Amino acid sequence: AQRVTQPEKLLSVFKGAPVELKCNYSYSGSPELFWYVQYSRQRLQLLLRHISRESIKGFTADLNKGETSFHLKKPFAQEEDSAMYYCALNNQGGKLIFGQGTELSVKP
Amino acid sequence: KAGVTQTPRYLIKTRGQQVTLSCSPISGHRSVSWYQQTPGQGLQFLFEYFSETQRNKGNFPGRFSGRQFSNSRSEMNVSTLELGDSALYLCASSSVHRGYTEAFFGQGTRLTVV
Repeated sequence: AQRVTQPEKLLSVFKGAPVELKCNYSYSGSPELFWYVQYSRQRLQLLLRHISRESIKGFTADLNKGETSFHLKKPFAQEEDSAMYYCALNNQGGKLIFGQGTELSVKP
Repeated sequence: KAGVTQTPRYLIKTRGQQVTLSCSPISGHRSVSWYQQTPGQGLQFLFEYFSETQRNKGNFPGRFSGRQFSNSRSEMNVSTLELGDSALYLCASSSVHRGYTEAFFGQGTRLTVV
């Protein structure tokens, strides 16, 4: 079955520290993976997609098919990065399977 | 380009009633998906409509239904409301760009069942 797992419900770091939000997936085929972010009182928005291999707001994510992982990383966390982060797998067109989410808290 | 618009933003209903939520996708997007977001279950897929046809369906009871109109606007209906249906309902419209799907979410409708 297709599944996305985010093992950490809450990740708390200090400003300037490195951040890694973990995401593992289960999918039979070539996955289409995304990271979505939800800032307080804002809508869910796309942060990264694996296919574009881009860096957004200093975040990067590499797809590791051997480990079935798509971890989100940032070398130096900022307070404005505090938000809920969701890893998602695109399954059949417009159907997204989300992980449970990780709340990132960046302390000053 | 206007984003995904959901109406109403907030709803309070009584157990046993029914409710209809509306979603206007981004212009040109033909796929509309619905999700239920709760603190306990997170984001769960309800169903997806593409060109007025249901293309995908999640694991929700038949009380949850939807439809899509020719202008791609979509509605979601929940009948015989239960307390557990209290949630944030999100709509997303999608397009395929350079071979991959990108979903844009609305602000959601907060449904409270009392």
